[in-house]
Amino acid sequence: AQSVTQPDARVTVSEGASLQLRCKYSYFGTPYLFWYVQYPRQGLQLLLKYYPGDPVVQGVNGFEAEFSKSNSSFHLRKASVHWSDWAVYFCAVPAYQGGRALIFGTGTTVSVSP
Amino acid sequence: EAAVTQSPRNKVAVTGGKVTLSCNQTNNHNNMYWYRQDTGHGLRLIHYSYGAGSTEKGDIPDGYKASRPSQENFSLILELATPSQTSVYFCASGDARTGDTEVFFGKGTRLTVV
Repeated sequence: AQSVTQPDARVTVSEGASLQLRCKYSYFGTPYLFWYVQYPRQGLQLLLKYYPGDPVVQGVNGFEAEFSKSNSSFHLRKASVHWSDWAVYFCAVPAYQGGRALIFGTGTTVSVSP
Repeated sequence: EAAVTQSPRNKVAVTGGKVTLSCNQTNNHNNMYWYRQDTGHGLRLIHYSYGAGSTEKGDIPDGYKASRPSQENFSLILELATPSQTSVYFCASGDARTGDTEVFFGKGTRLTVV
């Protein structure tokens, strides 16, 4: 069955440092993949999405993600973190069943230290 | 800009009482979803709908009903609320017929069952 694993529940990074958030997926074939961000007391917003093609996808606010079929991964990166990036980040993959609901990982909370 | 509006934003209910969470979308999307978010579980799908008059069970439907009276509106109903249903609930809409379409979220309803 399809699934998404985000192994890091919480990551703390210094402002200006680089960030990588890990996502592993299980899916038959090559999926579409998504990263969403949830700011405090807000709903989820799309950060970027992957369509089969170029493995590196650019998103908003300097985020990018790289798809690897061999590793079943879709890791998120940012070169220089800003305090406003303090949020929870979710990786998601479409479900097989009709309606194409998204299946989400458990999320990674990013805390930014000064 | 896609818009999904949830009401109420906060709700305190008593055990055994009936709770209705409402969701309205102005995106003209066919599909709508109800998720709940709990620490350590990420977002889990409760019910979803393909369009007016349809409701489908998601991954954790027990204790919940759903109603889709129109394209725009999708309600989640807790007939007999229990403390285990204390959570943050998110409604979302999408036109995800092909799996490559993002899903748009409301800002969430924080439900506390006492």
